[in-house]
Amino acid sequence: EVQLVESGGGLVHPGGSLRLSCSASGFTLSSYWMHWVRQDPGKGLVWVSRMNTDGSSTTYADSVKGRFTVSRDNAKNTLYLQMNSLRVEDTAVYYCVREGRGSGSYPFDYWGQGTLVTVSS
Amino acid sequence: DIQMTQSPPSLSASVGDRVTISCRASQYISKFLNWYQQKPGRAPNLLIYAASSLQSGVPSRFSGSGSGTDFTLTISSLQPEDFATYFCQQSYSAPRTFGGGTKVEIK
Repeated sequence: EVQLVESGGGLVHPGGSLRLSCSASGFTLSSYWMHWVRQDPGKGLVWVSRMNTDGSSTTYADSVKGRFTVSRDNAKNTLYLQMNSLRVEDTAVYYCVREGRGSGSYPFDYWGQGTLVTVSS
Repeated sequence: DIQMTQSPPSLSASVGDRVTISCRASQYISKFLNWYQQKPGRAPNLLIYAASSLQSGVPSRFSGSGSGTDFTLTISSLQPEDFATYFCQQSYSAPRTFGGGTKVEIK
């Protein structure tokens, strides 16, 4: 069974840092592109970042570029999101998401349960 | 960035009703359009990919159509477990943008 389990969320002051982890099981992480998506409480979904299979290519939303860094350890089947210089507007539930293969439209076929990041003084 | 506009933002319907949700892209996206269902406190769940393909395990009362810029999600006969928020998403280009969501509520 495919599972994605996020951890590392919590309360942090503006300007602080946090590292999220996403532990994958039931599939080989190294075979899939992976993404982070966030959702403000009670609001819509916002794509944050993506990483290709071997970690050689990353892309970020303009709102987090230069502050967030996605990485992966395929040997540990784990995806990470390092978040620096956090702002109040980064407060959200962060989801780790797998991009499906072979479906023709690259949907997000598996999502973690999400981890809440709260940035507040 | 490609903007995704969903309508309506919310709707009220009864069990057994046929429900239609629209999604419009700000530019051509071929059939690179996916639909997700989200229930309160839960992660989104993939329903439809490539505009009209049903994800494994999703009931056949859900269907999708469209191409280019205009897309539709249809629930043929609304069931109690279908009351949720539905999001469209384009996967034609980065960033992978989502629609604002349509909340389906009980009438």
